[in-house]
Amino acid sequence: GAVVSQHPSWVICKSGTSVKIECRSLDFQATTMFWYRQFPKQSLMLMATSNEGSKATYEQGVEKDKFLINHASLTLSTLTVTSAHPEDSSFYICSARDGGRVGYTFGSGTRLTVV
Amino acid sequence: GESVGLHLPTLSVQEGDNSIINCAYSNSASDYFIWYKQESGKGPQFIIDIRSNMDKRQGQRVTVLLNKTVKHLSLQIAATQPGDSAVYFCAERGRTSYDKVIFGPGTSLSVIP
Repeated sequence: GAVVSQHPSWVICKSGTSVKIECRSLDFQATTMFWYRQFPKQSLMLMATSNEGSKATYEQGVEKDKFLINHASLTLSTLTVTSAHPEDSSFYICSARDGGRVGYTFGSGTRLTVV
Repeated sequence: GESVGLHLPTLSVQEGDNSIINCAYSNSASDYFIWYKQESGKGPQFIIDIRSNMDKRQGQRVTVLLNKTVKHLSLQIAATQPGDSAVYFCAERGRTSYDKVIFGPGTSLSVIP
């Protein structure tokens, strides 16, 4: 079956630094990937849609200059949290569209802690 | 960003009993409805989906019911097992395969041995 890999699975960074999270489709090509964030005991909130070879589409209220998304190949999308602050601490999850599957395949998530 | 609801209701069931998890969705234009299971510290795992032109679909030990009149979706788990303990999310998606998946508030299911 389709597998989406996220790296790292967890990261701790200092306030003011930037962190890059990778999302890879391992056995299929993904022209479209999605990035979500999830706070404890809450639902997944869609941040942006990542399109291969073009600019990402951000949801309302999500700062595109703070959450940089790059989808340079058919198997890799990256999310960079720039100038991270403690309020950016969250669980970041990506998903990818795999052919005709209705429910997209999700990565295992990245726990970001900003100290 | 888009999300529906902020707090997590909980449901406790005895092992072996049937579980019913409910969800109210918002967009009458959604074409697909999906149930996911999320275990602690992991990403969501697809369980089952149903298209808007159906009202019932069955899988292995799970059944999804869709009532478009009242915008209600439910997931029934038969003979609930301890391994079913997790958070369950309903989600909705549009017609095209590029449409984003929007998640509902989720329900935490706890199975009592």
